[in-house]
Amino acid sequence: KAGVTQTPRYLIKTRGQQVTLSCSPISGHRSVSWYQQTPGQGLQFLFEYFSETQRNKGNFPGRFSGRQFSNSRSEMNVSTLELGDSALYLCASSPTGHEQYFGPGTRLTVT
Amino acid sequence: AQTVTQSQPEMSVQEAETVTLSCTYDTSESDYYLFWYKQPPSRQMILVIRQEAYKQQNATENRFSVNFQKAAKSFSLKISDSQLGDAAMYFCVAGGTSYGKLTFGQGTILTVHP
Repeated sequence: KAGVTQTPRYLIKTRGQQVTLSCSPISGHRSVSWYQQTPGQGLQFLFEYFSETQRNKGNFPGRFSGRQFSNSRSEMNVSTLELGDSALYLCASSPTGHEQYFGPGTRLTVT
Repeated sequence: AQTVTQSQPEMSVQEAETVTLSCTYDTSESDYYLFWYKQPPSRQMILVIRQEAYKQQNATENRFSVNFQKAAKSFSLKISDSQLGDAAMYFCVAGGTSYGKLTFGQGTILTVHP
């Protein structure tokens, strides 16, 4: 099976812009989770989607949003970008909601 | 809520030797899972091993094994016959009934010396 894929791999944006990141899960996996990884805060959970429904959400401002499509692909959107949003964004899919399989990440740089 | 603590920011080991990475956790849940993930310089997060809390037997996966001490809330990873490819950041991770949410420790950087 193909692994989790994320696009784009690298992104440079300017403060105030918005960005959309995409994630395609492993075939058959219906749960998709998103994480933000920074040197200072480590890995933090953003949200989880299952069958197009957000089931769980972490402690991030409303500028961070997501959605999931009927084919389980997921997108994450960040509006009004801030310098502090610079991070590696990881997507993970799961068959059960427990063990998760991660994509290679999207490196977002906000200037 | 769950918290995971890794007290060793860095560890090193000689190739072919054995190394143990430490982890303690706290959780209010009775049904939970513990994992070790590795993140090499490529930044790809890779699942190394998993342990269901209800299982008393320690999980093993080839050269990787865990020592799960439920009462002490301790979950260490032992890597035997270390290889250069084992060099990575290792994360101790907890998951529970909170949908899709994994809680990560701060990570331990493992260096393998030839």
